[in-house]
Amino acid sequence: DAGVIQSPRHEVTEMGQEVTLRCKPISGHDYLFWYRQTMMRGLELLIYFNNNVPIDDSGMPEDRFSAKMPNASFSTLKIQPSEPRDSAVYFCASSLGIYRGFNQPQHFGDGTRLSIL
Amino acid sequence: QQQVKQSPQSLIVQKGGIPIINCAYENTAFDYFPWYQQFPGKGPALLIAIRPDVSEKKEGRFTISFNKSAKQFSLHIMDSQPGDSATYFCAASMDTGGGNKLTFGTGTQLKVEL
Repeated sequence: DAGVIQSPRHEVTEMGQEVTLRCKPISGHDYLFWYRQTMMRGLELLIYFNNNVPIDDSGMPEDRFSAKMPNASFSTLKIQPSEPRDSAVYFCASSLGIYRGFNQPQHFGDGTRLSIL
Repeated sequence: QQQVKQSPQSLIVQKGGIPIINCAYENTAFDYFPWYQQFPGKGPALLIAIRPDVSEKKEGRFTISFNKSAKQFSLHIMDSQPGDSATYFCAASMDTGGGNKLTFGTGTQLKVEL
């Protein structure tokens, strides 16, 4: 089975440009998570969805960040306008959540390495 | 109260050694404690996990020790190998009505030398 698929793998763009990161979760998973990883702050949860509905966006740093999940097989994280401090690796993960009383693992994609110049 | 504190930040051991990574938490509502392993250029992957009703769990060469009263848990890697060189993250979560929102530690970079 295919895992979580993220695109692009690398993105380099200039400050002020709009950036869109894409994620295809594992089929059948009803939870989708967006994380940001930096050396300074580690792995931070930005937002997560359940059945395509945003549940907790308290980790979204600013209004410049937005995330959508129009259907069960696709999600986007958008940064507009982008700033150099947004440079990081962004991960998408999907999960079955808690299934039959057992915590199900989060399956991560390989991330998008974003560099804002 | 939502933080998970992890130490050490980095660790170097010889092949066959037993690296130990420690984590501590404050929120007693946490009820699930996984460890994730991350290789360069890859996303984290679940390694092993424990619930607070047991004090130890083993899977192959990996063992979690859990001390509920001290609110601490640790990962031990038996007979460590160079292929175990990676970054390890502890995490914690609580049931939020079906979800599995994880709070991660800051990570430990492990290097296993020949």
